[in-house]
Parts: sequence; structure tokens; C-alpha cells
Amino acid sequence: AQKITQTQPGMFVQEKEAVTLDCTYDTSDPSYGLFWYKQPSSGEMIFLIYQGSYDQQNATEGRYSLNFQKARKSANLVISASQLGDSAMYFCAMREGRVGQFYFGTGTSLTVIP
Amino acid sequence: DSGVTQTPKHLITATGQRVTLRCSPRSGDLSVYWYQQSLDQGLQFLIQYYNGEERAKGNILERFSAQQFPDLHSELNLSSLELGDSALYFCASSGSESNEKLFFGSGTQLSVL
Repeated sequence: AQKITQTQPGMFVQEKEAVTLDCTYDTSDPSYGLFWYKQPSSGEMIFLIYQGSYDQQNATEGRYSLNFQKARKSANLVISASQLGDSAMYFCAMREGRVGQFYFGTGTSLTVIP
Repeated sequence: DSGVTQTPKHLITATGQRVTLRCSPRSGDLSVYWYQQSLDQGLQFLIQYYNGEERAKGNILERFSAQQFPDLHSELNLSSLELGDSALYFCASSGSESNEKLFFGSGTQLSVL
């Protein structure tokens, strides 16, 4: 089974609108971390946001928030007030336990339309 | 700046050749990871080292090998190169705790002609 599933290969959003990028995960480890990364066309991987499995509240970082639904094993990224610079590939990732490897989804390509 | 240094940034070589990609992790990070990203593809996990020891192995071809040295820098060796090996190769490092994120280098763009 896939550890991380991103079911949206491509998404479009109007500038200034909010958008949700889906991510579901699969693990039996009670301790894990969930991460979102952004990869613009320039190629670098940029960390956006982190959510721990024991965190009670959803993580937020500026315009980014993580909608963490533990029972459903989902960790959706919400981008509010989309900007043209948000056009990029977005990857969801999970790390199990300590010193574990990171599992990445296949990514979602987001295009922000002016 | 992530603190992870990858060299070289670009590499152009011919089929059948061998190349070495180098990575210096962020100061204090014991784990080093290698990923391959082909055109329009996601990140393919190749291998992870922790404090000099191989920790996890992904879809790494037998033609590829890696190691982590006592000073924690790592090298990825790619041999008998094929056209399909052309890709962006990322090195990344992290700390040991589950809440520590992955810091990526800027990548090495390998072109096999």
C-alpha cells in the first residue's frame, strides 16, 4: 500500500481564492510527522508546514494551514488567498518514528490563474 | 539557504560513463537521503544513511551506490550510465526526531547524452 497518496495530479485556482490540496497517508506507527513541500519551476524543494501525530491543533504557517484529520488519515494543505507565485508542484510527505525515512506522494501541480 | 550543499549543480556526460555526486549535510544532521526526480516525475527515494550506516534502501539500481563518510558527507556513485538516468538528483538531510523536517540541497541536474 502507498504510504502517501495525492489524488490530484493538477489543480487550478483563481488568484486570491483558497485551494485545498489533498493528501492521505497510511501508517500503523503512532508517532509520525506530516510535511508539505513546494517545488517551483526553478526546482528547489521548499518546506511549507509540519504536523505531528500528537499535535491537537492544526498547523498554520502564514497563508498555509494543514487540515489534519487523524481518524481519516488525511493531511490536506489549504492555501488561502492564492498568489501567482503559488504556482508550483506540491508534495505531501510523512516520516515514521525517529530516524525514519520520508515517504513522498506523487505531487499536485497547482496553477494560479490571474 | 538550506545548509545542504550539493556538487556539482550540473553534470553532462555520455552513456556508459561513471559519475559521482557529492553532498554535505546540514551541520549536526546525521541522516542523509538521496532522491531521484525524472522529468515530470515525483521524488523517487534511493537510499538513506544514518551516521555512516545504511539505514533504508529504496528503488536504487545496482549500477548506483552510495556511502556516507565519517565526516558525514555522502557520495552517490552512478555507473554504466544510460539515457534514462538523466534526472535531478537531490540530497537531503535531517535530524533524528520525527518532527525534524528534511532539508534539501539544490540538486544535481544530470544529463546523459
